[in-house]
Amino acid sequence: SQELEQSPQSLIVQEGKNLTINCTSSKTLYGLYWYKQKYGEGLIFLMMLQKGGEEKSHEKITAKLDEKKQQSSLHITASQPSHAGIYLCGASTTSGTYKYIFGTGTRLKVLA
Amino acid sequence: NAGVTQTPKFQVLKTGQSMTLQCAQDMNHNSMYWYRQDPGMGLRLIYYSASEGTTDKGEVPNGYNVSRLNKREFSLRLESAAPSQTSVYFCASSEVRTQYFGPGTRLTVL
Repeated sequence: SQELEQSPQSLIVQEGKNLTINCTSSKTLYGLYWYKQKYGEGLIFLMMLQKGGEEKSHEKITAKLDEKKQQSSLHITASQPSHAGIYLCGASTTSGTYKYIFGTGTRLKVLA
Repeated sequence: NAGVTQTPKFQVLKTGQSMTLQCAQDMNHNSMYWYRQDPGMGLRLIYYSASEGTTDKGEVPNGYNVSRLNKREFSLRLESAAPSQTSVYFCASSEVRTQYFGPGTRLTVL
């Protein structure tokens, strides 16, 4: 089983709708990272969360970290076709190392 | 502002052939990483280098070797390619925690 579970695996929304992607770890988190990947391209760093309760925003994308639940959520407000792609969460689950594990990704399609 | 660069972008090999994937970063980062991305498996760490002169195995190191040539460059070598190594390979670098990724190399082994 995956140490880092993402849900849903895929999502199709109408432009303008809000959506949430979740990332849940089976281990203690020492840092949670969100990336976006356009089809066939590399990963673009969105944001990093380190402390429980921390919330960060980048344009219309907001991410929160619930340390107790070992979970992070990524919320997109008023989605646009430019938000389409694969969203990946990565996490460091070992203190003092820079090694990550990654979720399998959430494929987002936004219909115009 | 190149960031992390990878060559080649695409490669087709026959079973048993060897090749080296090149990665370079211009951000003066100490740590570098090689991942492979497969459908349904997510990104898996092959090898990483915490600093120049050191390398360590990740989750899936079998069939691969790496060289940290200098602080900028980290190469991944397939000595005898197998169809199971068909994948998209990503290189990344980091200074503290946040990793920055290259555009990837799409490798097909026939």
